[in-house]
Amino acid sequence: KQEVTQIPAALSVPEGENLVLNCSFTDSAIYNLQWFRQDPGKGLTSLLLIQSSQREQTSGRLNASLDKSSGRSTLYIAASQPGDSATYLCAVSSETSGSRLTFGEGTQLTVNP
Amino acid sequence: GAVVSQHPSWVICKSGTSVKIECRSLDFQATTMFWYRQFPKQSLMLMATSNEGSKATYEQGVEKDKFLINHASLTLSTLTVTSAHPEDSSFYICSASSGPSYNEQFFGPGTRLTVL
Repeated sequence: KQEVTQIPAALSVPEGENLVLNCSFTDSAIYNLQWFRQDPGKGLTSLLLIQSSQREQTSGRLNASLDKSSGRSTLYIAASQPGDSATYLCAVSSETSGSRLTFGEGTQLTVNP
Repeated sequence: GAVVSQHPSWVICKSGTSVKIECRSLDFQATTMFWYRQFPKQSLMLMATSNEGSKATYEQGVEKDKFLINHASLTLSTLTVTSAHPEDSSFYICSASSGPSYNEQFFGPGTRLTVL
């Protein structure tokens, strides 16, 4: 059974700092990995999708990397802004989960002005 | 593109009543739709997977007679919470995919259900 862990659970940084969020998964036989953002009381916004054959994806100030062999992904946020404050969720689609998305518990990020 | 809507965005109902939540894919055909539930301060938990025209597949521990799912068309899936009770109060989120279930899922904005 696939399990997804996100570290840290919460993170508070000053504006302008570069930061890294971590995601690890137990089964490396994945189809893809997605990073989402969730604002309080809202649905999910997809940030980046990395297919199993890819190593990284970039969108603006965001860069996500994938290392299947070690079961890890990182989300790098450059020059953080207060508007980046949200909960960031990592989710994996894998064979052992019948292709269903398995979510981590999320990292709650606060960027202080 | 790839927009998914949910209606209503929030609903309050009395215990014992039934509530229907709609999930629509606005600009693509969703062969597979998923329903998730999220309790406060927790992550999303998959409730069921539905494919257009066939019965939904429920996750272990989810009562299929309580959470009725209908995926009657390629753009619409509904979740009906029957005889709702306060413990059913939660945030319900749907997602849709245009291909096999391992394709990218696009998420709706969620529906906040409060049962009094």
